[in-house]
Amino acid sequence: DSGVTQTPKHLITATGQRVTLRCSPRSGDLSVYWYQQSLDQGLQFLIQYYNGEERAKGNILERFSAQQFPDLHSELNLSSLELGDSALYFCASSDRTGLGTEAFFGQGTRLTVV
Amino acid sequence: AQKITQTQPGMFVQEKEAVTLDCTYDTSDPSYGLFWYKQPSSGEMIFLIYQGSYDQQNATEGRYSLNFQKARKSANLVISASQLGDSAMYFCAMRGLTGGGNKLTFGTGTQLKVEL
Repeated sequence: DSGVTQTPKHLITATGQRVTLRCSPRSGDLSVYWYQQSLDQGLQFLIQYYNGEERAKGNILERFSAQQFPDLHSELNLSSLELGDSALYFCASSDRTGLGTEAFFGQGTRLTVV
Repeated sequence: AQKITQTQPGMFVQEKEAVTLDCTYDTSDPSYGLFWYKQPSSGEMIFLIYQGSYDQQNATEGRYSLNFQKARKSANLVISASQLGDSAMYFCAMRGLTGGGNKLTFGTGTQLKVEL
């Protein structure tokens, strides 16, 4: 158990809908990262927050947004969902930033858009 | 830009044998970190080992070791004495200074199957 909690574990929704994925980082970790894993794109970095502020942005669509709250949990909002958004969405956390920082991953939320 | 290449989509190894999973990388960053993660069929990503670009010695963590050859830009994972529980997808990843040194760039993974 990595200590990172993601809810829900599975989500099935229809095209055009909006969903929210939630992540609770390990106790004390200030950094939260979101990744998307799909069959065609592999593992892609979406966005990072550090202590409530956006720190780095990757290949995140404009339909997607995220935030980190004062208690350090984070939410990833996906709107106007398309079939191609079906993927495993991971949250990871770390206690610091830097090259050698190990990121601990949650078990992921599997999103299926039908 | 950073790129990780894993050329072995799938590998088979006999139980108790050693296996090497290949990883090459490309980056213009002077400093970077290299990581290996394991993803079992249950889906979670498990950190295995880390190598810094300026580390003088190859990293080791139990049965895992990283064969780091900087000039060749390779960071191969060696698993000794394979066990059935090692069957999983293995991802090589790197973190460089580009983008603030925060994001991990992953390879496409190698599916390892350990056989009796």
